[in-house]
Amino acid sequence: RKEVEQDPGPFNVPEGATVAFNCTYSNSASQSFFWYRQDCRKEPKLLMSVYSSGNEDGRFTAQLNRASQYISLLIRDSKLSDSATYLCVVEDWGYGQNFVFGPGTRLSVLP
Amino acid sequence: NAGVTQTPKFQVLKTGQSMTLQCAQDMNHNSMYWYRQDPGMGLRLIYYSASEGTTDKGEVPNGYNVSRLNKREFSLRLESAAPSQTSVYFCASIMDPATNEKLFFGSGTQLSVL
Repeated sequence: RKEVEQDPGPFNVPEGATVAFNCTYSNSASQSFFWYRQDCRKEPKLLMSVYSSGNEDGRFTAQLNRASQYISLLIRDSKLSDSATYLCVVEDWGYGQNFVFGPGTRLSVLP
Repeated sequence: NAGVTQTPKFQVLKTGQSMTLQCAQDMNHNSMYWYRQDPGMGLRLIYYSASEGTTDKGEVPNGYNVSRLNKREFSLRLESAAPSQTSVYFCASIMDPATNEKLFFGSGTQLSVL
């Protein structure tokens, strides 16, 4: 079963481009949603939480559509340093207190 | 502030050997997790511990055992390693997963089973 699915990628974009990632989740009871960033098989690090009303953090905007069970991440004015894999994470209490990770979407920002 | 410390960083085992991955956090977190990450797949939960003294199976527990030694430490043991357990392992912790806090991860263990 695939509880969290993401765009397969990779995304190769030039510096300054705007790029959007999509994520869908299967458990309609999920309450908490996150985007994590992972560099080259290093540990994942929280990029931002996703709130129902949508939220923005600098160049990053996250949106949540509960009806469609869909989450998005928009990155504006891409920087070389944004190159990483972006993981969509959904809280899922099917295994007690657990966070379910999507497979990730790899982004390469090119000079 | 060390956060989550995970050892070793790299390990090569032969099929049938055993080993323990160590994880310790110094943030007084209640919940701790062990994940594995395989190419093209998200992190999958092996075991978790909601609090000191409790452990529960996650999505892929077969072939593993865990111990929540105290509030700080949560170890993962492979009793008889198999090539299918070749993976990158991450330990993580959080104070309370019911809040919107972030997971803190260790730096990972690259395990190869030959």
